[in-house]
Amino acid sequence: SQTIHQWPATLVQPVGSPLSLECTVEGTSNPNLYWYRQAAGRGLQLLFYSVGIGQISSEVPQNLSASRPQDRQFILSSKKLLLSDSGFYLCAWSRPTAGNEKLFFGSGTQLSVL
Amino acid sequence: SQQGEEDPQALSIQEGENATMNCSYKTSINNLQWYRQNSGRGLVHLILIRSNEREKHSGRLRVTLDTSKKSSSLLITASRAADTASYFCATDAPGNTGKLIFGQGTTLQVKP
Repeated sequence: SQTIHQWPATLVQPVGSPLSLECTVEGTSNPNLYWYRQAAGRGLQLLFYSVGIGQISSEVPQNLSASRPQDRQFILSSKKLLLSDSGFYLCAWSRPTAGNEKLFFGSGTQLSVL
Repeated sequence: SQQGEEDPQALSIQEGENATMNCSYKTSINNLQWYRQNSGRGLVHLILIRSNEREKHSGRLRVTLDTSKKSSSLLITASRAADTASYFCATDAPGNTGKLIFGQGTTLQVKP
């Protein structure tokens, strides 16, 4: 069966520090991978998605970047965090089929930038 | 941008009652999905309804889709305290890109 791992669960970082959040998927090949951000009490904003190694699409201009160094690994990074980067970050995957099938989400990372 | 918008933003009911949440979207879709999120956790997929379907059931869940009105509803029957969560609709972005666009969600509280 497929599983998705996302870590850490919580993170407190000072303004200006770097960020690296990692997400890995097991039990499937060539998944579509996604990073979403959720502000408190709000919906999800799509940040990045990837359909293959090295293929990253950015949805909104921001202080963040994403990389996919391996088929089932998706990394969210920042060189210098801003206060506005605080939020709940969710990684997700979907099957690499045509069409828009359901997403499987990780457990999320609560990032607080102070 | 295309986005699902849920209504109401918050809903509080007694255990045993039915809960209805609505979602509206802006452009044509291939499918519409509903997800559930417990506080501080990831989202869990509940049900997917395709554009050529009008109604779908899964256990105590009933989803309807009206493409002419660009709206969907999620009905939870005989609610339980464990149904307390936020519920989101998500629609596929144009172009078969694999991207989903989520609404702001409805927060449901079921009182025991």
